[in-house]
Amino acid sequence: QKEVEQDPGPLSVPEGAIVSLNCTYSNSAFQYFMWYRQYSRKGPELLMYTYSSGNKEDGRFTAQVDKSSKYISLFIRDSQPSDSATYLCAMSAGGANSKLTFGKGITLSVRP
Amino acid sequence: EAGVTQFPSHSVIEKGQTVTLRCDPISGHDNLYWYRRVMGKEIKFLLHFVKESKQDESGMPNNRFLAERTGGTYSTLKVQPAELEDSGVYFCASSHAGTGVPSGANVLTFGAGSRLTVL
Repeated sequence: QKEVEQDPGPLSVPEGAIVSLNCTYSNSAFQYFMWYRQYSRKGPELLMYTYSSGNKEDGRFTAQVDKSSKYISLFIRDSQPSDSATYLCAMSAGGANSKLTFGKGITLSVRP
Repeated sequence: EAGVTQFPSHSVIEKGQTVTLRCDPISGHDNLYWYRRVMGKEIKFLLHFVKESKQDESGMPNNRFLAERTGGTYSTLKVQPAELEDSGVYFCASSHAGTGVPSGANVLTFGAGSRLTVL
């Protein structure tokens, strides 16, 4: 079983839709949960990070973590064509090393 | 602030040849990481430097891969000899020591990656 599972999609939605992206994980040691956005031919860019369980909101983006279910989500409200990118979840146990374990990523396309 | 710079952006070599990838992290970032994405797979950790010291190299596939970080500044990743399965995108990322709130959240800045194609 992979440590992090993410539906690879792709996902296509009309402009203005609410988008829900999800990941599940198996490693109970994960404490930090991140969402990265990657545009074509660019490196991943940190979008949001959350420590332990709970919600975090930043503009149109909301990250949720449910550690009891080992399930994390990213919601995008009022999606825009500029949101079209690959979204990767990533997790770490924290501490001195803090290497990230990534999901496969899902490619999102927002149609005008 | 300049970002993480990687070169070459794309390298095409034949099986058995040697390739060296270079990463220039953000100035002042003690942590430097190498990650790799093989086609169809997730991005995977290769190794972690703290300044010039290897903190964790548990992700290095085998001894054909050699990473160095001279003087705690730029880093190189050499593949010798390259095999077909080494093809992929190699990402470098850097961070301050203790970046993030709360302490422990390692907020990485990634480079654009070096795409390696082994024929």
